[in-house]
Amino acid sequence: KAGVTQTPRYLIKTRGQQVTLSCSPISGHRSVSWYQQTPGQGLQFLFEYFSETQRNKGNFPGRFSGRQFSNSRSEMNVSTLELGDSALYLCASSPGPQADTQYFGPGTRLTVL
Amino acid sequence: SQQGEEDPQALSIQEGENATMNCSYKTSINNLQWYRQNSGRGLVHLILIRSNEREKHSGRLRVTLDTSKKSSSLLITASRAADTASYFCATDASNTDKLIFGTGTRLQVFP
Repeated sequence: KAGVTQTPRYLIKTRGQQVTLSCSPISGHRSVSWYQQTPGQGLQFLFEYFSETQRNKGNFPGRFSGRQFSNSRSEMNVSTLELGDSALYLCASSPGPQADTQYFGPGTRLTVL
Repeated sequence: SQQGEEDPQALSIQEGENATMNCSYKTSINNLQWYRQNSGRGLVHLILIRSNEREKHSGRLRVTLDTSKKSSSLLITASRAADTASYFCATDASNTDKLIFGTGTRLQVFP
């Protein structure tokens, strides 16, 4: 099976802009989770989607949103970008809704100037 | 705040030596997992240990879990330069389905 893919791999934006990141899970996986990783805060959970529904959400402002499509592909959107949003955004998929083994994509490196 | 914290934050050893990393967490859990991350890349799942298990092995990896102390350890035996990476524990708290990652241990193995 193909692994989790994320696009784009690298992205440079300026403050105030918005960005959309995409994640394609492993075939058959219905759960997609998003994480933000920064040197200062470590790996922070953003949200999880299962069968097109948001199941869990981390402590991030409303500027961070996501969705999942019927084919389990997921997108996350960040509006009104701030410098502090610069991070590695990781997507992970798993077969079911439980927080069992997560299969991670390579990440999208977002730089906000 | 983070559910898990790894100790030490950084560890440097020579090839062939054993590396031990510890993870402490705060709440009751369903399971605990260990992941590895090479610099700037995605995480790779190493091993999962359930709350009713005390020890698990996978190749050169040995994981222990002490639920009374809310702690786990990851032992890598006969380390190799290729083991150089950051290692994270992740817990699935009993009262949520969220997988919360610890702060990580950076392991450097010198040839």
